[in-house]
Amino acid sequence: QLQLQESGPGLVKPSETLSLTCTVSGGSISNSSYYWGWIRQPPGKGLEWIGSIYYTGPTYYSPSLKSRVTISVDTSKNQFSLNLNSVTAADTAVYYCASQYYHDTSAFFDSWGQGTLVTVSS
Amino acid sequence: QSVLTQPPSVSGAPGQRVTISCTGSSSNIGAGYDVHWYQQLPGTAPKLLIYAHNNRPSGVPDRISGSKSGTSDSLAITGLQAEDEADYYCQSYDSSLSGWVFGGGTKLTVL
Repeated sequence: QLQLQESGPGLVKPSETLSLTCTVSGGSISNSSYYWGWIRQPPGKGLEWIGSIYYTGPTYYSPSLKSRVTISVDTSKNQFSLNLNSVTAADTAVYYCASQYYHDTSAFFDSWGQGTLVTVSS
Repeated sequence: QSVLTQPPSVSGAPGQRVTISCTGSSSNIGAGYDVHWYQQLPGTAPKLLIYAHNNRPSGVPDRISGSKSGTSDSLAITGLQAEDEADYYCQSYDSSLSGWVFGGGTKLTVL
């Protein structure tokens, strides 16, 4: 069973860049059956997919966030990262990283980190 | 407005059966993309409950099931228990958005 752990600042100032890292244990981030994804949840609201990355580099982003998001992977550290720039209060949320099992056209999030609350405030 | 539509809330008494619908369109469920379901207990991360319409990961009881009909999927929970009180989300892929999408979520209350 994979374990994932988010890390990064819990407070980010408006207009700055939110940066989070997800450390994967219990398996290799280079597993060809997996994408690695970021999902967020504003307080009291539903889940929103941010983007996903494959270990060789291809990335997939939500159209609504694509202009501000960059996801990268570091296979040597078994980590992947999220950068979201030009943040506003609307980006305040719990951010989850998750493993995304992929087969044919189906992909689901089978292991999740515990989540980390990021607040955007001056 | 979510691409996948779920009822905001459902409720049932202990022992009863409840269903939660997830309605999509021709660019997601109707296009044949699989639907997956997650359970989120208060204050915790979501947990995979059903994958590919009607498959249960190890550890999920068989009183929980999923089904598909056209452009909709449904999650059914029989023998309702207090521990089932949680938020439930469906998820699929949308070809128009070229990305993965979640439903708006359904809060299940056990009366």
